[in-house]
Amino acid sequence: DAGVIQSPRHEVTEMGQEVTLRCKPISGHNSLFWYRQTMMRGLELLIYFNNNVPIDDSGMPEDRFSAKMPNASFSTLKIQPSEPRDSAVYFCASRPTGSQPQHFGDGTRLSIL
Amino acid sequence: DQQVKQNSPSLSVQEGRISILNCDYTNSMFDYFLWYKKYPAEGPTFLISISSIKDKNEDGRFTVFLNKSAKHLSLHIVPSQPGDSAVYFCAASATGTASKLTFGTGTRLQVTL
Repeated sequence: DAGVIQSPRHEVTEMGQEVTLRCKPISGHNSLFWYRQTMMRGLELLIYFNNNVPIDDSGMPEDRFSAKMPNASFSTLKIQPSEPRDSAVYFCASRPTGSQPQHFGDGTRLSIL
Repeated sequence: DQQVKQNSPSLSVQEGRISILNCDYTNSMFDYFLWYKKYPAEGPTFLISISSIKDKNEDGRFTVFLNKSAKHLSLHIVPSQPGDSAVYFCAASATGTASKLTFGTGTRLQVTL
C-alpha cells in the first residue's frame, strides 16, 4: 500500500525564489491537509481540501502561500516569494472523508537561505 | 493560543517500565483525541484514539485515558521498549470540524536499556 507521497524530501533555495511542494494522497482518500512544523509552533494546519475543494485556509500565514488541488491525486503548496522564516518541515496528510485518522507523508524539509 | 498542550518536552524511561505521556486541552468542544508517534525524518503515524464518550481505550501495550472534567488525557505504554523512543503528539478535533486536528507540541520519549 503506497502511503502519502511528498516531493521533494529536501529543498534548499535562496530567499525570493519560488518554492513548490508536491503531494500525492492515498488513493481513495477524499481529504487532504497541509501542515507546517516548526520548533516554536509545532505542527500547524495550513489548509485542507475535501474532494479537491479548499475548505479552510485560515492557517495559511500570508498571501505568499497558495495551495491547489487540481485533481484527487495531486496537490501543491507554493511559496512565492520565499523568505528565511518559511524554513520548516511541511507535511501533507490525507484521509477518507468523515473519518480519522489522517495519514501523513514523510514531509519536505525546506531551508530558505 | 495553544489549545492542546503537552507540558513535558521530554521523558526518559527504563526499558520494561511504564511510560506516561500527558496532554491537556482547553477547548471544551473537542470530542475526539488521537496520539501520533513520530520518528526522525518520517511523518507522524497514528497510534491510538479515543472518543469523548469513553474514558479509556486500549490497544496492546498502549492505553489512552481521558478525563473530560479535567480536560486531560494520557497515554500509557506498558512495558516500554527501546523502539518506542520517538516524539509523541497529542491531537484533538471537534464534531463539525472533524477534519481539523489541533496538535500539541510533542513529547520526546527516550526508552533506555
